[in-house]
Amino acid sequence: GENVEQHPSTLSVQEGDSAVIKCTYSDSASNYFPWYKQELGKGPQLIIDIRSNVGEKKDQRIAVTLNKTAKHFSLHITETQPEDSAVYFCAASADDMRFGAGTRLTVKP
Amino acid sequence: DAGVIQSPRHEVTEMGQEVTLRCKPISGHDYLFWYRQTMMRGLELLIYFNNNVPIDDSGMPEDRFSAKMPNASFSTLKIQPSEPRDSAVYFCASSLGRRNQPQHFGDGTRLSIL
Repeated sequence: GENVEQHPSTLSVQEGDSAVIKCTYSDSASNYFPWYKQELGKGPQLIIDIRSNVGEKKDQRIAVTLNKTAKHFSLHITETQPEDSAVYFCAASADDMRFGAGTRLTVKP
Repeated sequence: DAGVIQSPRHEVTEMGQEVTLRCKPISGHDYLFWYRQTMMRGLELLIYFNNNVPIDDSGMPEDRFSAKMPNASFSTLKIQPSEPRDSAVYFCASSLGRRNQPQHFGDGTRLSIL
């Protein structure tokens, strides 16, 4: 089955800096890669996703890149703000959706 | 638009008691998933349904856990009898289609078994 590894587990940045979270997956059949943001006391919320026919996707301050050959994908947040502080999960979907272990991002004002 | 709705948001009960968690998926979604989240194991898929029919329950930890979906707008996850190690946050999610489709999560039920 699919195995998704996510790094780093914690990330602390200064407000205005960029943050990058990386994930790798094992199943070459995976072709859908969503990213979720989980705030305290809430469920994971989809923030952006990418499909395997696309190498990069951007939505305002967030972007995702996908390298299918290397089986890795990344989330980039630019101009970070304190409200970006949360736990972020990557996922990879083939037959099933598998989630990474999460990255706790802290943006210091 | 209403998202996935879970109840209760918090549940504290004593070991041995029956616990029932409830979920209302997004209208029109044909897949419903139950997850458990702990610090040690992260997000674990327990069971999922397609058109109200359980498809894969291989993630259900023990026979003490059971799930039903009597209609397209309601599902329950039951633990009987409950044990302290069942303490976790339980999430319900729904999606339109299974492969290559986003899952939409509720805000979860935080379960504490004393």
